[in-house]
Amino acid sequence: NAGVTQTPKFRVLKTGQSMTLLCAQDMNHEYMYWYRQDPGMGLRLIHYSVGEGTTAKGEVPDGYNVSRLKKQNFLLGLESAAPSQTSVYFCASSGGAAQDVYEQYFGPGTRLTVT
Amino acid sequence: AQKITQTQPGMFVQEKEAVTLDCTYDTSDPSYGLFWYKQPSSGEMIFLIYQGSYDQQNATEGRYSLNFQKARKSANLVISASQLGDSAMYFCAMREGDGNQFYFGTGTSLTVIP
Repeated sequence: NAGVTQTPKFRVLKTGQSMTLLCAQDMNHEYMYWYRQDPGMGLRLIHYSVGEGTTAKGEVPDGYNVSRLKKQNFLLGLESAAPSQTSVYFCASSGGAAQDVYEQYFGPGTRLTVT
Repeated sequence: AQKITQTQPGMFVQEKEAVTLDCTYDTSDPSYGLFWYKQPSSGEMIFLIYQGSYDQQNATEGRYSLNFQKARKSANLVISASQLGDSAMYFCAMREGDGNQFYFGTGTSLTVIP
């Protein structure tokens, strides 16, 4: 049981480049989330999904897009990376209201540097 | 206004002693959930404990307990019998209403001294 996995673990991008971060969970959770963690600011929600085919904006969605084509996968895309997007990105999943399980299970994180 | 406030950037505790990490929250929704997570230096986020707004009793999980004071909007984490492995960042978080958004505090760095 792998839980929540993230690919890649590290990445360095140049300004203007694009990339996709992949999150996969094997717990059959309905809800999935993408966060960024910056020093002194805790975790901030970028986008989330309450089920396959649905996505919604979180607290800091600008500059990111997401897709949830399969229940187990949640992709985070950066179309044109900026230095301000240098951060550690965490994916999380939870059962949500349908399963009455709200605690989130997190992936190991992706450290992204944009130069 | 901040949804979650953690006012202690850093805390120290002697091994085997108890420590309380503070968390206050701000919501007008009667239904919400409160969480604590631990982040060791390795970086992963580990779920510790959950308290629902309608729960009558304070949540406990092993050495962790959540001191829930609804009227004061506080949800402090109490760690009993601290161990060296408890040294980490601790984050308080809230799920608001039936919503799917979570709000995290800025964290408290706990150091356990031998």
